[in-house]
Amino acid sequence: KQEVTQIPAALSVPEGENLVLNCSFTDSAIYNLQWFRQDPGKGLTSLLLIQSSQREQTSGRLNASLDKSSGRSTLYIAASQPGDSATYLCATRRGGGADGLTFGKGTHLIIQP
Amino acid sequence: DAGVIQSPRHEVTEMGQEVTLRCKPISGHNSLFWYRQTMMRGLELLIYFNNNVPIDDSGMPEDRFSAKMPNASFSTLKIQPSEPRDSAVYFCASKTGTSNVETQYFGPGTRLLVL
Repeated sequence: KQEVTQIPAALSVPEGENLVLNCSFTDSAIYNLQWFRQDPGKGLTSLLLIQSSQREQTSGRLNASLDKSSGRSTLYIAASQPGDSATYLCATRRGGGADGLTFGKGTHLIIQP
Repeated sequence: DAGVIQSPRHEVTEMGQEVTLRCKPISGHNSLFWYRQTMMRGLELLIYFNNNVPIDDSGMPEDRFSAKMPNASFSTLKIQPSEPRDSAVYFCASKTGTSNVETQYFGPGTRLLVL
């Protein structure tokens, strides 16, 4: 059974800093890996999706990497802003056609103005 | 598009009562997912449907939980009887296709409190 772990569980940094969120998973037979953002009281919003054959994806100030063999992914946020404050969730989709996602418990990020 | 619509947004009920959560997926999406989020266990997949057919219900905690999708635009998750440990936020998500490039779109969730 896939287990997804995110470290750290919480992080608070001053505005403007670059930061890295970590995600690890136990089963490397994944179809893809996604990073989501969750704001308090809201649903999840997909930030980046990395296919199993890819190494990284970029969107604006966000860059996500994937190392399937080691079971790791990182989300890099450049020049952080207070609006980036949220919980960031990592999720893997199983291979073999299964369609559900397995989530980590998230990293709660606070960007101090 | 209005996105995934869930109702009610909040539900408070007493132990033993029946609870029905509702979801309207994004039009044209053919896959629908129900997840549950708690502080202890995080987000967990309960069940998902492809083309209205349940594909994987291995995450449904026990027989008190049931889910239906009578048509492409509506799904329900029912808990009968409800228990305090069912208190959680329940999310519905939908997506189109089955390839590895489509993402799931999540609704705002239903926050359930069972007293």
